[in-house]
Amino acid sequence: ELKVEQNPLFLSMQEEKNYTIYCNYSTTSDRLYWYRQDPGKSLESLFVLLSNGAVKQEGRLMASLDTKARLSTLHITAAVHDLSATYFCAVGEETSGSRLTFGEGTQLTVNP
Amino acid sequence: DTEVTQTPKHLVMGMTNKKSLKCEQHMGHRAMYWYKQKAKKPPELMFVYSYEKLSINESVPSRFSPECPNSSLLNLHLHALQPEDSALYLCASSPLPSNQPQHFGDGTRLSIL
Repeated sequence: ELKVEQNPLFLSMQEEKNYTIYCNYSTTSDRLYWYRQDPGKSLESLFVLLSNGAVKQEGRLMASLDTKARLSTLHITAAVHDLSATYFCAVGEETSGSRLTFGEGTQLTVNP
Repeated sequence: DTEVTQTPKHLVMGMTNKKSLKCEQHMGHRAMYWYKQKAKKPPELMFVYSYEKLSINESVPSRFSPECPNSSLLNLHLHALQPEDSALYLCASSPLPSNQPQHFGDGTRLSIL
């Protein structure tokens, strides 16, 4: 059974600081997704990482994938309040459809 | 604006009622999904339809009955639900075969009295 672990689960940051969220998974996969969810809202796709060493950046967020270590990271640079949300990583499995197994989520709060 | 449309946005029902949740997408995606999400938890997969056929049922109780009338529509029929079924129900779609991410709707917030 695929297990996906995120840490930390809660992160309180000051604006302009940097931090990293970690996502470890238990079986081989070369498909990893990062989603953002605002309170009471749906999930918004942030990044798709499909190969070892993949790195994607959008604004203050950068995601990377190390398939050998079964680890993805989401790095936040110079945080701003608008980044406050819950961030989920999700790992894809090769079954019918695109089964995703989600991590528990990291609730990020950026304080002024 | 989301490209996956779910109705209704909110639903309150009694334990003896029958209701349906609806989901629609016009992106040409051939995989559609139902998830259940409790507060402060990740989405839990319930069902997957691939090319309009049920391909994954995650041992969901029979009081939840999915239906995929065509490639754009997905329904979730509800009957005799329990209070613990109160949650946000999310629909998603994705291309097949593809590594593209799933697109999620805004969800239906369901409360069982």
